[in-house]
Amino acid sequence: NAGVTQTPKFQVLKTGQSMTLQCAQDMNHEYMSWYRQDPGMGLRLIHYSVGAGITDQGEVPNGYNVSRSTTEDFPLRLLSAAPSQTSVYFCASTGESSYNEQFFGPGTRLTVL
Amino acid sequence: RKEVEQDPGPFNVPEGATVAFNCTYSNSASQSFFWYRQDCRKEPKLLMSVYSSGNEDGRFTAQLNRASQYISLLIRDSKLSDSATYLCAVRGSSGNTPLVFGKGTRLSVIA
Repeated sequence: NAGVTQTPKFQVLKTGQSMTLQCAQDMNHEYMSWYRQDPGMGLRLIHYSVGAGITDQGEVPNGYNVSRSTTEDFPLRLLSAAPSQTSVYFCASTGESSYNEQFFGPGTRLTVL
Repeated sequence: RKEVEQDPGPFNVPEGATVAFNCTYSNSASQSFFWYRQDCRKEPKLLMSVYSSGNEDGRFTAQLNRASQYISLLIRDSKLSDSATYLCAVRGSSGNTPLVFGKGTRLSVIA
């Protein structure tokens, strides 16, 4: 199993550009989520999904869209990038039980100029 | 009050020392608890789950105190390789609620 994969690893954008961060998992997990991590702020939840076709907002959803058309994929779209979105983005997935481990992808380091 | 709070540290300890971290949570309905380890510029990885009766994995011991709403992590005989950031994480009353993380505690073990 590859686990949780994310692409790209690094990205530089200009203000106003849009892009999609890709996330995929091969563990047949229903639950997937996106976090951003900034110095001193810890991991903050952006959006999450409890299954294909179902998404919900987390703590910091503004400026981001998600969709979940398949169990495996959970892309994160930045609609119009802003410097405040410079961060490290982690995708994660979990099995159904609340006691299951949450697995993280390796992260995408995004810089918005 | 933040949902999950941790002392950010850093904790600088000599090799062989015992060090303990606490983490408090605000939602009394929280059902599952975890400690994650994060190395610099890497993704968080599960260190251990925290069970009601407490649990131990080698040099690591995790405990849960529901009455006072905190979890703890004890590391005995610290190694240089234990240097990392330790994140506590809490999940609510069902498997479909998000995992909420503390900001992490930095540990540096010094030779």
